[in-house]
Amino acid sequence: QKEVEQNSGPLSVPEGAIASLNCTYSDRGSQSFFWYRQYSGKSPELIMFIYSNGDKEDGRFTAQLNKASQYVSLLIRDSQPSDSATYLCAVASSGGSYIPTFGRGTSLIVHP
Amino acid sequence: DAGVIQSPRHEVTEMGQEVTLRCKPISGHNSLFWYRQTMMRGLELLIYFNNNVPIDDSGMPEDRFSAKMPNASFSTLKIQPSEPRDSAVYFCASSFPQRSGNTIYFGEGSWLTVV
Repeated sequence: QKEVEQNSGPLSVPEGAIASLNCTYSDRGSQSFFWYRQYSGKSPELIMFIYSNGDKEDGRFTAQLNKASQYVSLLIRDSQPSDSATYLCAVASSGGSYIPTFGRGTSLIVHP
Repeated sequence: DAGVIQSPRHEVTEMGQEVTLRCKPISGHNSLFWYRQTMMRGLELLIYFNNNVPIDDSGMPEDRFSAKMPNASFSTLKIQPSEPRDSAVYFCASSFPQRSGNTIYFGEGSWLTVV
């Protein structure tokens, strides 16, 4: 069974700090990795996706992928109170139909 | 561009009643997903359609749940009879797997309360 694990948190960081969110997965055949943000009472929205080992940067967000160690992380630089949300990691493999499996999410709190 | 559209946004119903949730995927997307989210279990995949055909319904909890996709622009999730433990947020999502490694886009959700 494919599993995606995240620390539920909450992760509390001060405004302006770097928030680091981590995710591990069990399926070595996984090829696509996604980070979604979900505000309370809202639907998940895509932040970014990554396919290749290494880092991928998009504004204040950096996704890091290490397939050998089977983890993917999300760094948020210069964290803002508006970043307070639950961050969901999702992983998809080429086998079958690329259906993403979601982790339970990590709650992030950015305090002023 | 219009995103995934779901209705109703909120539904309160009595135990035993039939509930029908509706979804219009993003135009051009050929994959559609129904998810359920609860505090206890997180985001669970209920069923996945590709080109209007149900591919994986292993997440459908029991026979009380059924889903249909009669055409590329419409899907329903039906619960009959509903029970209090069905109370959750139900998300419909769509994707075009040949792009972006199957990035899926969620609707705003249908908040179901069964009393």
